[in-house]
Amino acid sequence: ILNVEQSPQSLHVQEGDSTNFTCSFPSSNFYALHWYRWETAKSPEALFVMTLNGDEKKKGRISATLNTKEGYSYLYIKGSQPEDSATYLCAFRSNDYKLSFGAGTTVTVRA
Amino acid sequence: NAGVTQTPKFQVLKTGQSMTLQCAQDMNHEYMSWYRQDPGMGLRLIHYSVGAGITDQGEVPNGYNVSRSTTEDFPLRLLSAAPSQTSVYFCASSTSGGRVTDTQYFGPGTRLTVL
Repeated sequence: ILNVEQSPQSLHVQEGDSTNFTCSFPSSNFYALHWYRWETAKSPEALFVMTLNGDEKKKGRISATLNTKEGYSYLYIKGSQPEDSATYLCAFRSNDYKLSFGAGTTVTVRA
Repeated sequence: NAGVTQTPKFQVLKTGQSMTLQCAQDMNHEYMSWYRQDPGMGLRLIHYSVGAGITDQGEVPNGYNVSRSTTEDFPLRLLSAAPSQTSVYFCASSTSGGRVTDTQYFGPGTRLTVL
């Protein structure tokens, strides 16, 4: 069992504000780090997969960074909108290909 | 493409009953897996399969069986349901379990309650 932690567990942000949150994972045996977006009553959908230390990915107003040496990834939402409300999951893939999910950060954007 | 489909969407069982959760994908994916999702916890891997005829245990396999007779289908069997198996179950598939860029495609989930 690989320890993947996300913080905070939940956060509320005002529409238009920016926010960020963290995924921590083991710094050894790293293979890839995945981010998923999970809207209520839907299934998780892939956002990013990152593999290299220093990787940055961007999709619209959402971006992510990766530090494999210290074992963390940040996900940023710029100018939050109500449609950004969701649970954001990270998943750590070790070099034996096993995938371990964090418990998620639930983002609620208030209009 | 229907993607990943799961049936049923909701199920209530009594302790000791058995049932099968169905999962199918039409993307010709090699890798399929079952997760359970409980409040405050991440998705936990129950069983997975890297191809037809091959299955293996994940993090929480006790009380569940799987088989993979075809590429498309990956049913999950509860042998004797227990209240601790009350959860939301997700089936997922990907092109391959091991490639770096592989992402999981998730089904809509099955909400199971065991009384």
